[in-house]
Amino acid sequence: QLQLQESGPGLVKPSETLSLTCTVSGGSISSSSYYWGWIRQPPGKGLEWIGSIYYSGSTYYNPSLKSRVTISVDTSKNQFSLKVSSVTAADTAVYYCARILSGPGNYLDYWGQGTLVTVSS
Amino acid sequence: QSALTQPASVSGSPGQSITISCTGTSSDVGDYNYVSWYQQHPGKAPKLMIYDVSNRPSGVSNRFSGSKSGNTASLTISGLQAEDEADYYCSSYTSSSAYVVFGGGTKLTVL
Repeated sequence: QLQLQESGPGLVKPSETLSLTCTVSGGSISSSSYYWGWIRQPPGKGLEWIGSIYYSGSTYYNPSLKSRVTISVDTSKNQFSLKVSSVTAADTAVYYCARILSGPGNYLDYWGQGTLVTVSS
Repeated sequence: QSALTQPASVSGSPGQSITISCTGTSSDVGDYNYVSWYQQHPGKAPKLMIYDVSNRPSGVSNRFSGSKSGNTASLTISGLQAEDEADYYCSSYTSSSAYVVFGGGTKLTVL
């Protein structure tokens, strides 16, 4: 059974960089059938797509976040990571990693449990 | 502001059927059959319930069905059960960008 697990600091100071890692177990991140993505959800609000990455390193970002976001992949560790720079309180959210079925639908069929990141001094 | 419009809330009694709408444009819902629906219980990750407008992943109850007409997609839940109480999000491919757009979410209350 595929499992995804987010890890990283739960508290980040304003103007600093948020860094999270998603570890994939029970399957290979190098499969050509999938992309791997990050989605966030501010407390009490809806879902926001952050971006995605293919095992080869190709990335796709939400234009509204693109200038501050970097997603990378480490196939040797079966992990992919998220960095968001210059964070503000508006970046406070539960951050999810997910597996995306390759194709125009971009369906997210497996999700991590999510990790709350709070931006505060 | 979400690219896809959903009602903020819907409600129904056990055993009844409810429908949640998801309105987009000809750049997304209207021109492409790549609509999906996610169910999210409080404190949990979303779960894929419908893809390609009307297909159910393995393990999803056949009480859940999807459809589309014009620029509006719909999720129908029949035989409503208490466990269906959750937030529901629609999503669609959009030709205007290479990323995923979500609806604002609909809170389903089972009375």
